[in-house]
Amino acid sequence: QSALTQPASVSGSPGQSITISCTGTSSDVGGYNYVSWYQQHPDKAPKLMIYDVTNRPSGVSNRFSGSKSGNTASLTISGLQAEDEADYYCSSYTSSSTRWVFGGGTKLTVL
Amino acid sequence: EVQLVESGGDLVQPGGSLRLSCGASGFTFRNYSMNWVRQAPGKGLEWVSYISINSGTIYYADSVKGRFTISRDNAKNSLYLQMNSLRAEDTAVFYCARASGSSSRNAFDIWGQGTMVTVSS
Repeated sequence: QSALTQPASVSGSPGQSITISCTGTSSDVGGYNYVSWYQQHPDKAPKLMIYDVTNRPSGVSNRFSGSKSGNTASLTISGLQAEDEADYYCSSYTSSSTRWVFGGGTKLTVL
Repeated sequence: EVQLVESGGDLVQPGGSLRLSCGASGFTFRNYSMNWVRQAPGKGLEWVSYISINSGTIYYADSVKGRFTISRDNAKNSLYLQMNSLRAEDTAVFYCARASGSSSRNAFDIWGQGTMVTVSS
């Protein structure tokens, strides 16, 4: 069982917006602004999409945005495109001895 | 081009040992903290270990503490993971991942392609 809770799957049609949630505790998501999101296509390495809750690395489309409220972080993808179909993982720094925790991943299907 | 390339993955028997390597290029390796992250077949990501820029701060996941040792050689632009007392549940693709800065709180901004470790008799 993963430390952070994500929905197993979400779907949307091209052009639509979707939001993936990531729920933790006050020891991780709620306690720090060190939430990040990763995109992983099949048999590929993960790619950083959002860091420090809301920041996008250079080169990542502005269709991707992040937010946080309490112990839940969210990734929103607007204007869905076929290439967005992938697995998405949230991660958070934690005060526990395990410094970083991940969510179980969410499979995004673009219909 | 900024790049990380892992090597050393193999099939090993339970109780055995393996040493993974990660070569860095395209950036000043000594300025960045580094991590190992693994992914069991069909499963999610699991952070394994962290090492600071000068090796002064090291962290491990509870699942590998006492069995795995992370190290780095800044002169060789290389990161290592020595894995002992391997178990079937260690079977995974192991990724090296660069921290986006020198802090343990930095996200993982560059990932290697991964190297497969299979623990089985």
